[in-house]
Amino acid sequence: GAGVSQTPSNKVTEKGKYVELRCDPISGHTALYWYRQSLGQGPEFLIYFQGTGAADDSGLPNDRFFAVRPEGSVSTLKIQRTERGDSAMYLCASSLRAELDTQYFGPGTRLTVL
Amino acid sequence: AQSVSQHNHHVILSEAASLELGCNYSYGGTVNLFWYVQYPGQHLQLLLKYFSGDPLVKGIKGFEAEFIKSKFSFNLRKPSVQWSDTAEYFCAVKVRGSTLGRLYFGRGTQLTVWP
Repeated sequence: GAGVSQTPSNKVTEKGKYVELRCDPISGHTALYWYRQSLGQGPEFLIYFQGTGAADDSGLPNDRFFAVRPEGSVSTLKIQRTERGDSAMYLCASSLRAELDTQYFGPGTRLTVL
Repeated sequence: AQSVSQHNHHVILSEAASLELGCNYSYGGTVNLFWYVQYPGQHLQLLLKYFSGDPLVKGIKGFEAEFIKSKFSFNLRKPSVQWSDTAEYFCAVKVRGSTLGRLYFGRGTQLTVWP
């Protein structure tokens, strides 16, 4: 079956602009996660959705970052007033449920802020 | 601070050599443990996982890992590597019950296998 998909695969923007990154989880997966991976580092947790609600957003670095999942499927990560330090690979993962299930990762969106 | 440590940042081996990649974590309580692999140009894929039971777990492509609770370790092993094992390997920990399923990752180990 189809895996997790993310669009766009690459996004180049200018400092101060607004960007949206999209994640399509595996069909039927209720748990969805966003991670951020900087060069030379492992992925770092940003936010977790169970269904439509953000169950844990403690990883979001500041209030410029926001994510939604209005219908419990597709999720959008939104970054306002982008800064050069936001440049990273943004990864999305989904799992059937949260606690006991394997997370399956998408290919990521490479965000570059000039 | 709580963390996941991967001691080797870059490992270079010849084909048929044996591999062991170290992973230690500092989280208390019950944990689930994972090794993910990222082949060049591909996304993160699950290599193997430990949830409970036999601490020696076997994954895909001949990889195995051993959970040693007393050492807070989950080292990855393969008796004979192949050129196609060239990839980046990430150890990850999930703390049961308290953090709603988020994964804590190590910084990764780049494995290069020469043919």
